Amino acid sequence: AQKVTQAQTEISVVEKEDVTLDCVYETRDTTYYLFWYKQPPSGELVFLIRRNSFDEQNEISGRYSWNFQKSTSSFNFTITASQVVDSAVYFCALSEDRTDSWGKLQFGAGTQVVVTP
Amino acid sequence: ETGVTQSPTHLIKTRGQQVTLRCSSQSGHNTVSWYQQALGQGPQFIFQYYREEENGRGNFPPRFSGLQFPNYSSELNVNALELDDSALYLCASSWVLTSGGSYNEQFFGPGTRLTVL
Repeated sequence: AQKVTQAQTEISVVEKEDVTLDCVYETRDTTYYLFWYKQPPSGELVFLIRRNSFDEQNEISGRYSWNFQKSTSSFNFTITASQVVDSAVYFCALSEDRTDSWGKLQFGAGTQVVVTP
Repeated sequence: ETGVTQSPTHLIKTRGQQVTLRCSSQSGHNTVSWYQQALGQGPQFIFQYYREEENGRGNFPPRFSGLQFPNYSSELNVNALELDDSALYLCASSWVLTSGGSYNEQFFGPGTRLTVL
């Protein structure tokens, strides 16, 4: 079963528009970790944020913000005032804190963000 | 601080051959994870090495094997290559205090693009 679902395959926006990427996850564990990574055309995954299951406080980092809601098992990501350099594939990932999952990041299928000038 | 490096960048092999991919972890990191990313999909966890031992494995057959060396660098070996093994292979390093550390962010290398003909 898919643990992490990113329903949006591709989002196209014009520069300066806001864009929100949805992430829904599934786990039976009480302790888990959620991540967002950015993958530009070069292919390297760039770490953006880590959130543990006990910290539901939303976070803002510059133009990036994250909304974690355990009640709906969602961890959404918003880019405010998008720029062309934000064009990339964005992945949401889950890590479960149990023996058979140590070190294992389970990724969603990714959302391609295209920002045009 | 030196980031994660991988070699080679690109590789072309034929079905049935064997391949070895290499990864140097980021300075100060003791754990290496390997992921396979098929075109248009999210990365899939292959396995993780911690202190030179396999510390978790995804749903990959035994012909996928690995090593971690005392300097924490790592190799991924794939025997009897199949066409479906064509993918981007990503290496990620992290620092883990104990064997059960799922919580630390993993820093990824640029990947090795493997094509199997």
